[in-house]
Amino acid sequence: GQQVMQIPQYQHVQEGEDFTTYCNSSTTLSNIQWYKQRPGGHPVFLIQLVKSGEVKKQKRLTFQFGEAKKNSSLHITATQTTDVGTYFCAGWGDGGSQGNLIFGKGTKLSVKP
Amino acid sequence: DAMVIQNPRYQVTQFGKPVTLSCSQTLNHNVMYWYQQKSSQAPKLLFHYYDKDFNNEADTPDNFQSRRPNTSFCFLDIRSPGLGDAAMYLCATSTAGPQSHTQYFGPGTRLTVL
Repeated sequence: GQQVMQIPQYQHVQEGEDFTTYCNSSTTLSNIQWYKQRPGGHPVFLIQLVKSGEVKKQKRLTFQFGEAKKNSSLHITATQTTDVGTYFCAGWGDGGSQGNLIFGKGTKLSVKP
Repeated sequence: DAMVIQNPRYQVTQFGKPVTLSCSQTLNHNVMYWYQQKSSQAPKLLFHYYDKDFNNEADTPDNFQSRRPNTSFCFLDIRSPGLGDAAMYLCATSTAGPQSHTQYFGPGTRLTVL
């Protein structure tokens, strides 16, 4: 079945360093979403990418969707302690199923002050 | 504020004792989802309702059932909880139809099975 792989599983950075997490799908995605889950919290929607090659920015966060719509990345510039949490990508397959949102395993980011 | 509410936030049950988790939403969304999330893992979709239509994931155990009596409420019933069912259970909603819509998650219910 469709799989969404996400790496790395863990990332420890010094405050001010950059951070990137990568997401790869075994099949073409109709779109991809990114969520952030703070420790002890629930996933919160960050952004959705739909178009091939799309790039979106939210302040220090840059999201990219690959040309083939099978991979995506989230890059955080100059991390802050408030960035701590687990970042999940979640992809919708092209199959059209209403519930066919597949989550990656997440990248857990820790930031050392 | 429009939101997704889950009760209780923490639930302790005994092995084999049925338990029901509840979710309500004021967003008036057509679709409601139940996810299971174990420690350091991604949320795993159990099933979802598109209005009254129930959609079960193929690998969801029969031990898990759901009810949606109206648009606002959705329940997760675990008929005979096992130790392996201890997890965070997340309810989420989205607008109807296309795959492209955001999912809004509730705060979750953490289930402990003794």
